[in-house]
Amino acid sequence: EDQVTQSPEALRLQEGESSSLNCSYTVSGLRGLFWYRQDPGKGPEFLFTLYSAGEEKEKERLKATLTKKESFLHITAPKPEDSATYLCAVASLYSGAGSYQLTFGKGTKLSVIP
Amino acid sequence: GAGVSQSPRYKVAKRGQDVALRCDPISGHVSLFWYQQALGQGPEFLTYFQNEAQLDKSGLPSDRFFAERPEGSVSTLKIQRTQQEDSAVYLCANSEYPDTQYFGPGTRLTVL
Repeated sequence: EDQVTQSPEALRLQEGESSSLNCSYTVSGLRGLFWYRQDPGKGPEFLFTLYSAGEEKEKERLKATLTKKESFLHITAPKPEDSATYLCAVASLYSGAGSYQLTFGKGTKLSVIP
Repeated sequence: GAGVSQSPRYKVAKRGQDVALRCDPISGHVSLFWYQQALGQGPEFLTYFQNEAQLDKSGLPSDRFFAERPEGSVSTLKIQRTQQEDSAVYLCANSEYPDTQYFGPGTRLTVL
């Protein structure tokens, strides 16, 4: 069974204080690892897809990296508008019936204080 | 309209009532997913369509849950005889086969 564990559950940062969020996963063949951002009352907003160990992707103040067991979302010099819940999800190569369903972690709630 | 839309955004039902939740997908995106998100949790998979074919319904929690996508576009998730444990946000997601899923805003269902 695919599993995703995110840590910490919640993180408070001062504006400009860089940090990293962790996503540990077990999956029977990784098709892809996905990062989403979710604001209160809204659906998840796509950020990144990573496919293989060693891959990195960047977008503004965010950088996602991938190893064989975990992924990190690095936030550099965060701003208050980066406050949100960040969700990690995996898709397996062996999902039944050709489904590309995602298995999500519980998320990390990030608060950036001005 | 470039994104996935869902309606209604909020639904309050009395226990035992039937509800229908609608998803209007991104035009041309063949894959459609439904997820359930409980408060403080990540989304959990319910069911998957490729065009009009429901290829995976392994995540539906009971036979009270039913989903359809008859013309391969709009999809409806129906919950019969709602229970309090059905209270959650129901999310619809689309993808161009077979990759990244784009989510709608969700429908928040509250069962009293």
